[in-house]
Amino acid sequence: NAGVTQTPKFQVLKTGQSMTLQCAQDMNHNSMYWYRQDPGMGLRLIYYSASEGTTDKGEVPNGYNVSRLNKREFSLRLESAAPSQTSVYFCASSLDREDTQYFGPGTRLTVL
Amino acid sequence: AQTVTQSQPEMSVQEAETVTLSCTYDTSESDYYLFWYKQPPSRQMILVIRQEAYKQQNATENRFSVNFQKAAKSFSLKISDSQLGDAAMYFCAYRSGNTGANSKLTFGKGITLSVRP
Repeated sequence: NAGVTQTPKFQVLKTGQSMTLQCAQDMNHNSMYWYRQDPGMGLRLIYYSASEGTTDKGEVPNGYNVSRLNKREFSLRLESAAPSQTSVYFCASSLDREDTQYFGPGTRLTVL
Repeated sequence: AQTVTQSQPEMSVQEAETVTLSCTYDTSESDYYLFWYKQPPSRQMILVIRQEAYKQQNATENRFSVNFQKAAKSFSLKISDSQLGDAAMYFCAYRSGNTGANSKLTFGKGITLSVRP
């Protein structure tokens, strides 16, 4: 039982490049989330998926898109990376919206 | 909008001693949940403890306990018998209990706890 896994662990991009961060959970959770963590700050919600087939914007969605591929997987895409998107990205999941969220190990992304 | 404030950026404790980490929050809601998460150098966010606002009893998990003061909107974490492995950044977080809300966690800025051997 791996919990929440994220790939890659580290990534360096040039401005304007695109990439997709992958997240998968094996806990049969219905809800999944993407957060970003910037230095000196707590995590902020980018997008979430309350259940398979639905996605909604969070607090800081600009510059990102998401796909809930199936119940297990929730990906985050940067279409044209900007230096302001340099951050650590965390995926999380919960059984349902009301339940405790469990986090993946994070992806450290640097945009030059 | 809800806010979470952790006013102490850093704290230090001697191994085996007790330390209390402070957190205050602001909300107009009556139904909500509060959490403490631990983030060690590995960056993994680990749930430490959870408190439901409707419960008067303070949550406890082994050496970790909270002091939940609903009227004062205060939610502090007490770590007893501190261990070297407790050294980490600790985040206080809030989540609305409103089923119409987006269930996001609102985090404080975190506090870095160091443990002296």
